[in-house]
Amino acid sequence: GESVGLHLPTLSVQEGDNSIINCAYSNSASDYFIWYKQESGKGPQFIIDIRSNMDKRQGQRVTVLLNKTVKHLSLQIAATQPGDSAVYFCAERTYNFNKFYFGSGTKLNVKP
Amino acid sequence: DVKVTQSSRYLVKRTGEKVFLECVQDMDHENMFWYRQDPGLGLRLIYFSYDVKMKEKGDIPEGYSVSREKKERFSLILESASTNQTSMYLCASSFGGWLAGDGREQFFGPGTRLTVL
Repeated sequence: GESVGLHLPTLSVQEGDNSIINCAYSNSASDYFIWYKQESGKGPQFIIDIRSNMDKRQGQRVTVLLNKTVKHLSLQIAATQPGDSAVYFCAERTYNFNKFYFGSGTKLNVKP
Repeated sequence: DVKVTQSSRYLVKRTGEKVFLECVQDMDHENMFWYRQDPGLGLRLIYFSYDVKMKEKGDIPEGYSVSREKKERFSLILESASTNQTSMYLCASSFGGWLAGDGREQFFGPGTRLTVL
């Protein structure tokens, strides 16, 4: 089956710095990608999404970049804050509608 | 706001017991999902449903069954709980259809941490 992986299981950044979380996916037919944030004791929350016909999408302090050539997805968080500390997952949707595959997650630690 | 609720946050059961995990969503979503989340393995899909009384196996359906009698409710059933089913269980829902984006993301409940002794 498809696999979605993350390069770094843990990322520590200083408050105010920018964070970059990376994700590799394996299915070139995937058409939709999402980044989720999961805080301790809570379910994952939607952050930002991107369709496969785009290479960049921006939200509030977050940007997702999609490089289909190398099947790579990244999440950039600007001016990282302590409240950004969480586990971040990428997810890809396959051609099988609305079925997502999730990566194992990257834990982001923001140091004050 | 979309709300997905799960019947229990923490549950402790004994091996061999029948376990019911309930999930309710209030946004009239067509699709509902059950995942389990284990350290280092991410979220793995157990079952999903794209309509009332419809269900499809996910990647790890063994030892589980589901029931969807009403659109807003999706139940996960462990017929005979085993210790290897100790995990965090997450329910999610989303709008149906093929269109990517435009609100097709999945909304998650808070999770149920199940311990099987």
